[in-house]
Amino acid sequence: QITLKESGPTLMKPTQTLTLSCPFSGFSLTTGGVGVGWIRQPPGKALEWLALIYWSGDERYTPSLRSRLTVSKDTSKNQVFLTMTNMDPVDTATYYCAHSFGGYRSVNFDYWGLGTLVTVSS
Amino acid sequence: QSVLMQPPSVSAAPGQKVTISCSGSNSNIGNNYVSWYQQLPGTAPKLLIYDSNRRPSGIPDRFSGSKSGTSATLDITGLQTGDEADYYCGTWDSSLSAGVFGGGTKLTVL
Repeated sequence: QITLKESGPTLMKPTQTLTLSCPFSGFSLTTGGVGVGWIRQPPGKALEWLALIYWSGDERYTPSLRSRLTVSKDTSKNQVFLTMTNMDPVDTATYYCAHSFGGYRSVNFDYWGLGTLVTVSS
Repeated sequence: QSVLMQPPSVSAAPGQKVTISCSGSNSNIGNNYVSWYQQLPGTAPKLLIYDSNRRPSGIPDRFSGSKSGTSATLDITGLQTGDEADYYCGTWDSSLSAGVFGGGTKLTVL
């Protein structure tokens, strides 16, 4: 059974750097076609695709946030991380990590974490 | 403004059929597969359709997806009150080299 669970701070101040971890189980991030993605959702708003790291180590980012985001993985510990610099109140959102299948150019997220609400406020 | 355009809301009566549209461009829907997600209030999204028209195990055949050109649709037949949720389309955008989601459609079952 595949599970993922986001972990990180729930309250941040503007300009701080957010680091979220996503420990997972039930799959290996060395299996071809597999990835772990990050998606966020501001309160009452739509989903926003942020980043994805693939089994190959390749990374993809949404262009509008590319300069602020870093996704990384620790395959031996079955964890994926997302770092977002220079946090702003508009970054207040629920952040999800999710298991991706289908390789490059797919947006197939079949297992999601519960999400973690990150609030940015001074 | 989302790259993929969805109607903000749709509604239909129990037992009826509803269609949710997702409009894009050649850089996204036109040349890539589409996925659809259902998000019940307060929960994480759930994958309903992938590769434009395939259902994951456990998804009822009341949910079906199709794609034509730069648009995709999600059909839900035999509507149930439990289908009330937000629905999102998603696809890869080859110009952005990133995934994109639609703005979401709120389904109300009257």
